[in-house]
Amino acid sequence: AQSVAQPEDQVNVAEGNPLTVKCTYSVSGNPYLFWYVQYPNRGLQFLLKYITGDNLVKGSYGFEAEFNKSQTSFHLKKPSALVSDSALYFCAVRDVGNTPLVFGKGTRLSVIA
Amino acid sequence: EPEVTQTPSHQVTQMGQEVILRCVPISNHLYFYWYRQILGQKVEFLVSFYNNEISEKSEIFDDQFSVERPDGSNFTLKIRSTKLEDSAMYFCASREGQPYEQYFGPGTRLTVT
Repeated sequence: AQSVAQPEDQVNVAEGNPLTVKCTYSVSGNPYLFWYVQYPNRGLQFLLKYITGDNLVKGSYGFEAEFNKSQTSFHLKKPSALVSDSALYFCAVRDVGNTPLVFGKGTRLSVIA
Repeated sequence: EPEVTQTPSHQVTQMGQEVILRCVPISNHLYFYWYRQILGQKVEFLVSFYNNEISEKSEIFDDQFSVERPDGSNFTLKIRSTKLEDSAMYFCASREGQPYEQYFGPGTRLTVT
């Protein structure tokens, strides 16, 4: 069975500093990995995905994520955080085929001015 | 940019009543999903739908739940007899094909009193 772990409930970072939101996964085959962001009272917005190829993937709003197969991790990063990045971030995984997404519990990012 | 839409944005119903949540997926997408998020918890998969039939469902998706794609555009989730614990945000999502990401609607907040 697939699973996702986001070990931090909350991440606080000062504006302008780099940020990392951690994610590890477990899947039987090759994973498809995703990051979504949720702003208050809004739906889930797709940020980026890893399917195959380069381990470093770039996404929306300056975010990137690094796929590390040996550590089964897919951490979300941004070189310089903005206050507007404050939101709830979800990592998700699915196996090949038509399997549904399995989400982590989410990490609340708070960027302080 | 095309997007998934959901109506209503908020539905309040009494326990035991039937509710229908409506979604219009992105027009060229082939795979459709319902997820739910109980307040403060992670996003959970309910059901996936492809080629006019359910392709996968979770343990949450019991006999009280049903889905339908009555025409070429709408995708509905029906709960026959709502319970207090059905109170949650319900998200519809759609996907174009393999291995593309799922796009989520803004959600319907269901409150069962």
